[in-house]
Amino acid sequence: AQSVAQPEDQVNVAEGNPLTVKCTYSVSGNPYLFWYVQYPNRGLQFLLKYITGDNLVKGSYGFEAEFNKSQTSFHLKKPSALVSDSALYFCAVNGDKIIFGKGTRLHILP
Amino acid sequence: EAQVTQNPRYLITVTGKKLTVTCSQNMNHEYMSWYRQDPGLGLRQIYYSMNVEVTDKGDVPEGYKVSRKEKRNFPLILESPSPNQTSLYFCASSTLRGSGLGTYEQYFGPGTRLTVT
Repeated sequence: AQSVAQPEDQVNVAEGNPLTVKCTYSVSGNPYLFWYVQYPNRGLQFLLKYITGDNLVKGSYGFEAEFNKSQTSFHLKKPSALVSDSALYFCAVNGDKIIFGKGTRLHILP
Repeated sequence: EAQVTQNPRYLITVTGKKLTVTCSQNMNHEYMSWYRQDPGLGLRQIYYSMNVEVTDKGDVPEGYKVSRKEKRNFPLILESPSPNQTSLYFCASSTLRGSGLGTYEQYFGPGTRLTVT
């Protein structure tokens, strides 16, 4: 069965420090991988995607994600966190069907 | 402006009273979908549609209906709402990758917070 795991419900990072939000998946074939962000009282916004090619993909607001096929991971990263990055982040996989992770709440501490 | 709109944004209703949540997109997307978001459960897909007059069940379709009579609209219908359908609902749309290959990134509406008492 296909699945997406975000192992951390919450991640706390000090402003200015690098951040990582983890995502692992179990999907057959060559899926598309996505990250979305949800700010309070808003819908989800697309951040970035991996389709094929370079394992490091860059997206909106300075975020990037590293695709690792052998570890079936697609971790979201940012070199220097901002307080405004505080939000709920979702990893999603599109294989035979679309599956979202349960979300990771990111708190950036001033 | 490219967008997905949903109405109403907030709705409080009583058990058994039929309701419809509308969803419309102006991007000419083939694919549209409804999700519900519940604490600790993430997003779960209710129904989706890959084209006009084509709809399929997602992971949690019980108690919901949808229709796709026009490409831009994808209403969600609760014929007899129950308290366990209290949730935050999102409509989304996207471009299809190709036959049987899924979709590209999705564009989400602002959400509809439904409370059933």
